[in-house]
Amino acid sequence: AQTVTQSQPEMSVQEAETVTLSCTYDTSENNYYLFWYKQPPSRQMILVIRQEAYKQQNATENRFSVNFQKAAKSFSLKISDSQLGDTAMYFCAFMRAGNQFYFGTGTSLTVIP
Amino acid sequence: GAVVSQHPSWVICKSGTSVKIECRSLDFQATTMFWYRQFPKQSLMLMATSNEGSKATYEQGVEKDKFLINHASLTLSTLTVTSAHPEDSSFYICSARDSWREVSSYNEQFFGPGTRLTVL
Repeated sequence: AQTVTQSQPEMSVQEAETVTLSCTYDTSENNYYLFWYKQPPSRQMILVIRQEAYKQQNATENRFSVNFQKAAKSFSLKISDSQLGDTAMYFCAFMRAGNQFYFGTGTSLTVIP
Repeated sequence: GAVVSQHPSWVICKSGTSVKIECRSLDFQATTMFWYRQFPKQSLMLMATSNEGSKATYEQGVEKDKFLINHASLTLSTLTVTSAHPEDSSFYICSARDSWREVSSYNEQFFGPGTRLTVL
């Protein structure tokens, strides 16, 4: 079974500062994908960034980057130059070969003006 | 871009009645769709995998006779909550896997906007 753990239920950051959200996972599979999704109050799930487990290079997407440590089964998200629109719930997710998502418990991020 | 719709967006029903929720891929074909449930301030929990033309695969602990899933076409999957009770009140989200759009070695997947179910 796959488990995804986010140990920070809530976090806050000052506008324009940098914040890191933590995620760890447990799996016995070798081929998988990891994701960070954002869920604003509208509840629409928005893809933030994706990482293939077989790639050693950390994914980056504009202000968003990840620190993927496969051996430690760690997948943290760094948000640089935080903006007010980044305020949302952030979910770390694991995807197995069958394409089913398994989500962490979420981190509620508040960007303070 | 790829769009997934859900209908209705919000439904209120009486205890004991059945409710059908639709999930549609508007501009792509989806042989596989997924249904999730999200309780307030909690994570999304996978309920079942819906495959076009075949029976759905349910996650452990999900009652298949209570949550009926039908995936009759490449663009539509339905979730019917039968004999709904207040504890079934939740936010239901579907996702659809694009059958043709591959990113890396998996098919791109898109989420619907969700359906809020309230059972009185």
